[in-house]
Amino acid sequence: DAKTTQPNSMESNEEEPVHLPCNHSTISGTDYIHWYRQLPSQGPEYVIHGLTSNVNNRMASLAIAEDRKSSTLILHRATLRDAAVYYCILRDDAGNMLTFGGGTRLMVKP
Amino acid sequence: DAGVIQSPRHEVTEMGQEVTLRCKPISGHDYLFWYRQTMMRGLELLIYFNNNVPIDDSGMPEDRFSAKMPNASFSTLKIQPSEPRDSAVYFCASSLFPGVRGYTFGSGTRLTVV
Repeated sequence: DAKTTQPNSMESNEEEPVHLPCNHSTISGTDYIHWYRQLPSQGPEYVIHGLTSNVNNRMASLAIAEDRKSSTLILHRATLRDAAVYYCILRDDAGNMLTFGGGTRLMVKP
Repeated sequence: DAGVIQSPRHEVTEMGQEVTLRCKPISGHDYLFWYRQTMMRGLELLIYFNNNVPIDDSGMPEDRFSAKMPNASFSTLKIQPSEPRDSAVYFCASSLFPGVRGYTFGSGTRLTVV
C-alpha cells in the first residue's frame, strides 16, 4: 500500500487558517486521498477526499498538488473544536480498507 | 439516522473471561469494519464484512478473537479468553461501496482487561 507522511503535531491560533500537509510520493493513479479526523474520545470522522482536483466541503478544503505527490487539508478558520488528530490516507479505487497512519495532532490555541 | 451504534461503551473484565462487543451499522451500508486502537499501535483494522460475509480477517490478532455478522443490522466481536493486552478501544465502522462518502465510525467500546 502507498504510504503517507504527516507531521506528528501542529499548532494553530483560533480563528486563523490551518494548512495540514501530507506527503504521498508513491501514490498510484487510482489512489484517492482521504482525510479523517479523530476528536478526543470519539471515533474517526470523515472529513474530505479527492483524486486530482481540489475539493471543498462544509468542513474543509483539500488542495492536491499537480503531481499528486502531496496534498494539504485546509481549515479556513480554526476553532477550539477542531483540535483533533488528522489522518491522511490513500485508498485504492478498488480497495475497501482504510489503513490509518499516525496522523497529525492539531492543537488550537485561544 | 442514529449512526453506527456500539455497545457497551465501557467494559471492564477479568483476564480469562469472555467479552462480546456489539455493533449496529447504518441501515443500507453493506460494508462493516472492526478496528482496534491503542497508544502503541494506533488504529488497526481487524476484520471487515461485505454483505454479512467476512472478506478479510488478516488483522485478527489470534484465535481468541472472532467476529460474526448474522444479519445486515448486527455484528459482534468476541474475545475468549480475554487477556490484559487486549485492553484497547474497539471501533466499528460501516460504509457503502465503494465508500465514496467515507466510513462512519461508532463511538467505540473501551475495553479494560484486568
